[in-house]
Amino acid sequence: DAKTTQPPSMDCAEGRAANLPCNHSTISGNEYVYWYRQIHSQGPQYIIHGLKNNETNEMASLIITEDRKSSTLILPHATLRDTAVYYCIVRANNNNDMRFGAGTRLTVKP
Amino acid sequence: NAGVTQTPKFQVLKTGQSMTLQCAQDMNHEYMSWYRQDPGMGLRLIHYSVGAGITDQGEVPNGYNVSRSTTEDFPLRLLSAAPSQTSVYFCASSYSFGTPSSPLHFGNGTRLTVT
Repeated sequence: DAKTTQPPSMDCAEGRAANLPCNHSTISGNEYVYWYRQIHSQGPQYIIHGLKNNETNEMASLIITEDRKSSTLILPHATLRDTAVYYCIVRANNNNDMRFGAGTRLTVKP
Repeated sequence: NAGVTQTPKFQVLKTGQSMTLQCAQDMNHEYMSWYRQDPGMGLRLIHYSVGAGITDQGEVPNGYNVSRSTTEDFPLRLLSAAPSQTSVYFCASSYSFGTPSSPLHFGNGTRLTVT
């Protein structure tokens, strides 16, 4: 039972913003939205998380809609090194089971 | 800090053989977990542990055993390998998984082939 829906693939031009959408229409009030990415065959890497406010860190920004049913991860100036599979996950803090879906394969092109 | 270290990086087994995938972390993390990743798919949780002496099953636990005798180590045992267990295995840890700002840190994986 997938809790998130992401497009399977997206392209982005180098230097432009990459906007990766995620639908989580059944999210509960105590569930956070997490984003991870996996570059080639390495282990996944944490990017950002949020509950209901928009968040920004040195890697990305996370925009969560007011009804919390969807969110967008923004990489402001994508580089070739940002080519990866990006995973959107929803999880409550009292849930020790973090489940990854298929994610979105982002390809940054020169 | 080495972070999360997985050994071996590659392994080939014959059907029916047993082996242990090793995972160690040097960050004093409470939470550790094992995932498997099959081609073109996301990660699926096998087992996890919230502290030494405590383990629990994830999404796909059958065919795998775990134990957590120390905070640092969380080995994954395949008792009788099957071709369906051919996969890439990732170990992950977190300082306090119940805290939102404590993300998972992953190792670089063990690539297992069962023939």
